[in-house]
Amino acid sequence: GAGVSQTPSNKVTEKGKYVELRCDPISGHTALYWYRQSLGQGPEFLIYFQGTGAADDSGLPNDRFFAVRPEGSVSTLKIQRTERGDSAVYLCASSKSADSYNEQFFGPGTRLTVL
Amino acid sequence: TQLLEQSPQFLSIQEGENLTVYCNSSSVFSSLQWYRQEPGEGPVLLVTVVTGGEVKKLKRLTFQFGDARKDSSLHITAAQPGDTGLYLCAGPNNAGNMLTFGGGTRLMVKP
Repeated sequence: GAGVSQTPSNKVTEKGKYVELRCDPISGHTALYWYRQSLGQGPEFLIYFQGTGAADDSGLPNDRFFAVRPEGSVSTLKIQRTERGDSAVYLCASSKSADSYNEQFFGPGTRLTVL
Repeated sequence: TQLLEQSPQFLSIQEGENLTVYCNSSSVFSSLQWYRQEPGEGPVLLVTVVTGGEVKKLKRLTFQFGDARKDSSLHITAAQPGDTGLYLCAGPNNAGNMLTFGGGTRLMVKP
């Protein structure tokens, strides 16, 4: 069965550019999460979707970051006016529902490099 | 804010040695999870511990949840090169809709 997939696997961009990162969750999973993992650190929560709505976006660092999930499946993380500090691996995860006992399945991540 | 601290940050050992990784917090967690992450991949869940004092075994890996549910440990017996990777502990927030991760322990097992 297909796991969580993320595209692109690598993205190199220049400072100030706009980027979109895509996540395809496991079919049937209603909860979707975005995390950011900087080099040598553990993942940090960015945003969580239950269905189509962003139920908790408290982890987004500033208003340059935005995410959507219009049909309750695929999600896109959008970063405007990228900065060098945005360089990190962006991980997406999905689970059957948002419950602390439901396993979150992670994708391989998108490695973003801002030059 | 719930924080998880892991120690050590780095561990390099010879094949066959035993090791313990620690995950500590000043906050109480309803459960704690341990993940293993390899380069270029996302974290993969190893185990979830739920009850204070609980001990779970997964082959050569033994996981323990502290009695007060503020800390956890991972013990590996007779480490093998295939155990090499980044080990992460994580705990859910009260709503269960996000995970707080520790900084990770990077383990290298040399043959």
